[in-house]
Amino acid sequence: EAGVVQSPRYKIIEKKQPVAFWCNPISGHNTLYWYRQNLGQGPELLIRYENEEAVDDSQLPKDRFSAERLKGVDSTLKIQPAELGDSAVYLCASSPPRTGGSYNEQFFGPGTRLTVL
Amino acid sequence: GNSVTQMEGPVTLSEEAFLTINCTYTATGYPSLFWYVQYPGEGLQLLLKATKADDKGSNKGFEATYRKETTSFHLEKGSVQVSDSAVYFCALSDRVGGSEKLVFGKGMKLTVNP
Repeated sequence: EAGVVQSPRYKIIEKKQPVAFWCNPISGHNTLYWYRQNLGQGPELLIRYENEEAVDDSQLPKDRFSAERLKGVDSTLKIQPAELGDSAVYLCASSPPRTGGSYNEQFFGPGTRLTVL
Repeated sequence: GNSVTQMEGPVTLSEEAFLTINCTYTATGYPSLFWYVQYPGEGLQLLLKATKADDKGSNKGFEATYRKETTSFHLEKGSVQVSDSAVYFCALSDRVGGSEKLVFGKGMKLTVNP
């Protein structure tokens, strides 16, 4: 079974330019997460989707960041315009529908490393 | 809010050495606790988990016990291998609306030399 796919793996842009990241979750996983991981830090949640609905975007900087998950499958995270402080690894994760009370494991993609110059 | 504090590295060990990575947490309620591992060039992988007090999670020779009285979840391995070189993250779950929101520590980079 294929894992979470992200592209591109690496992106270098100049500040003030736009950038977009793409994520394809594991087939059948209805929950999708975007995390940002700054250098030397743990991942921090940006947004969580249940199917096509964004149910938690409280940590998403909405002045420059946007995300969408059309049709409840693939997702795109966009930054416009990018700032120097946006340099980080952007991780996508997905999890299957919950069954009973057990923990619902999140499966992570390899991430996109963004460098803003 | 909920938070995780873990031992910071980097740490370098020789093969077959004993490993302990400390992790403590602050949380309301009764979160589940996790250790994730990130091998070079790969995504985060779940290493082990514990969902209630006194539970012990184990995998690949690693163990961690959920200690409610000390709010800790320390990771241990009796004899590390070169292949254990990776970054280790302690995390807790904050269940929101039926799905899990993970809160991570800063991570600790481990290098194991032959």
